[in-house]
Amino acid sequence: DAGVTQSPTHLIKTRGQQVTLRCSPKSGHDTVSWYQQALGQGPQFIFQYYEEEERQRGNFPDRFSGHQFPNYSSELNVNALLLGDSALYLCASSFWTGNNYGYTFGSGTRLTVV
Amino acid sequence: GEDVEQSLFLSVREGDSSVINCTYTDSSSTYLYWYKQEPGAGLQLLTYIFSNMDMKQDQRLTVLLNKKDKHLSLRIADTQTGDSAIYFCAERSGGFKTIFGAGTRLFVKA
Repeated sequence: DAGVTQSPTHLIKTRGQQVTLRCSPKSGHDTVSWYQQALGQGPQFIFQYYEEEERQRGNFPDRFSGHQFPNYSSELNVNALLLGDSALYLCASSFWTGNNYGYTFGSGTRLTVV
Repeated sequence: GEDVEQSLFLSVREGDSSVINCTYTDSSSTYLYWYKQEPGAGLQLLTYIFSNMDMKQDQRLTVLLNKKDKHLSLRIADTQTGDSAIYFCAERSGGFKTIFGAGTRLFVKA
């Protein structure tokens, strides 16, 4: 049973560019959450998608947007990249009960902005 | 507000018990979690506890919850070198999101 799959694994972008990160949730999961993990810190909640809608959002600017598709996969888009956006971006999937029983995380996409 | 705090480092000898502590601020938290992160990897859920429980044991792992003091701990019995990793405490808070601490780096000396 495949877990959470994220692509790409690594990415280097230039300031001002736009990036799209992709996530396929674990089989049977219908909810996708995105987190940003800066070096040496804990994951910070960006937003969560359920039934193709953004269900909750953290303290991130509108440059961060997302989408969930009918097959539950999800994309995270970041526009006008800043150096401070360099981080590990983690996708976490769960069942609709709202992550009561915890997330399954992917291995992340390491984004470097230069 | 919502905040989860953990000590940053813990060093133990192989075979000893490790105790990682965490405090949280949201008294309405319903579920609390411990995750493990190894280098270059995502987070792995180790265990969770519901807020009406005081203790949960799962093989070498014991979770203690003091809801009055908003204190959560993770005890790892017979710690092995393979347990060296970063351990994150997290709380289900404010709707659907889960809030994570900054992580405790566990070093296990052979």
